[in-house]
Amino acid sequence: SQQGEEDPQALSIQEGENATMNCSYKTSINNLQWYRQNSGRGLVHLILIRSNEREKHSGRLRVTLDTSKKSSSLLITASRAADTASYFCATDPRGNTGKLIFGQGTTLQVKP
Amino acid sequence: EPEVTQTPSHQVTQMGQEVILRCVPISNHLYFYWYRQILGQKVEFLVSFYNNEISEKSEIFDDQFSVERPDGSNFTLKIRSTKLEDSAMYFCASGPWGAEQPQHFGDGTRLSIL
Repeated sequence: SQQGEEDPQALSIQEGENATMNCSYKTSINNLQWYRQNSGRGLVHLILIRSNEREKHSGRLRVTLDTSKKSSSLLITASRAADTASYFCATDPRGNTGKLIFGQGTTLQVKP
Repeated sequence: EPEVTQTPSHQVTQMGQEVILRCVPISNHLYFYWYRQILGQKVEFLVSFYNNEISEKSEIFDDQFSVERPDGSNFTLKIRSTKLEDSAMYFCASGPWGAEQPQHFGDGTRLSIL
């Protein structure tokens, strides 16, 4: 698999449930970021976690990073219909040029 | 909240023609990027630009591609002689003072090559 692969590819849940998405990567990283993309729109930055951090929270979002396993997870708690979107992890291998390597993404559908 | 704007939203061009995609990044940002997303595929990095020069480019960004920041506000991507496989969504992004900062994306230009 390539750098930044998400799992699952698609996820369908009911409003109020939690959604967990996973991301694996291959090379060492400076930081890992999660982005959301609504249909037909650009990507929106959600959260950035640096390689020396293990967990980060932002509102209903919780991100973990395990550099020994080269993996990250994004948890959205108490999901809402408005959370319906595609979610991408993106790795920054070096941190000096801003180049992001995106995964294939997880498509999340939250049913009302 | 300031945002990145891209024009046009949709560009249709004949194969072999030149195309220029335009972006207005957030005004106090220093780092600028182009990405593309072929339908159904992942977002791919094309180029990063800082201090009026390319800081990194991918293997996709060959001699047919160029970027410019002509007037301190616009950031353009030019494809000199378009190919069918250049059909994709092209996203511009900008970032503030450091390369390790969140990037702010525009809504993209859909480029269709006929």
